[in-house]
Amino acid sequence: TQLLEQSPQFLSIQEGENLTVYCNSSSVFSSLQWYRQEPGEGPVLLVTVVTGGEVKKLKRLTFQFGDARKDSSLHITAAQPGDTGLYLCAGADYKLSFGAGTTVTVRA
Amino acid sequence: NAGVMQNPRHLVRRRGQEARLRCSPMKGHSHVYWYRQLPEEGLKFMVYLQKENIIDESGMPKERFSAEFPKEGPSILRIQQVVRGDSAAYFCASSPLPPETLNTEAFFGQGTRLTVV
Repeated sequence: TQLLEQSPQFLSIQEGENLTVYCNSSSVFSSLQWYRQEPGEGPVLLVTVVTGGEVKKLKRLTFQFGDARKDSSLHITAAQPGDTGLYLCAGADYKLSFGAGTTVTVRA
Repeated sequence: NAGVMQNPRHLVRRRGQEARLRCSPMKGHSHVYWYRQLPEEGLKFMVYLQKENIIDESGMPKERFSAEFPKEGPSILRIQQVVRGDSAAYFCASSPLPPETLNTEAFFGQGTRLTVV
């Protein structure tokens, strides 16, 4: 069974601070995806990482994929209240397998 | 260009009743996945279907739960004789290709929140 562990489970920071959340897999997937879910809504894809060592930037969000393609991180610079949500990583093989997520709260 | 449509958004059932959750995938998408989510938890895989075929139902409870994706019409997740423990948000996702295809995105619906009273 492939497992995805995310840490921390909860993160509460002040507006303007930086934050990093982590995703670690017990094995290698074809690709790893990051989603953001707001209360009452379905998850929305942020990014897909495929290659070991890959770094992708999406405005204030930076995604890294470890060289061994088993760990990934999401770094948010100068967080804003609009970044509040549940951040989920998912490994893709013939289906998507999700971690438990990190609940991020950015206080104004 | 509608997204993944799930209905109803909210469903209340008494213990012992049946719950039918519907999912219309995006146009052109033939791969459908159902997930279950409890509050402040991630999504637990239930079943993966292609048109008229169940590909993987390893996440589905062996009893009371069934899923279908007919040639015509939406995908249906059916829960018979519901119990309080079935209360959760159920999400459907669709994709045009299998997930292992590089850069394939799965699009999620807004979910159906089932409450069993």
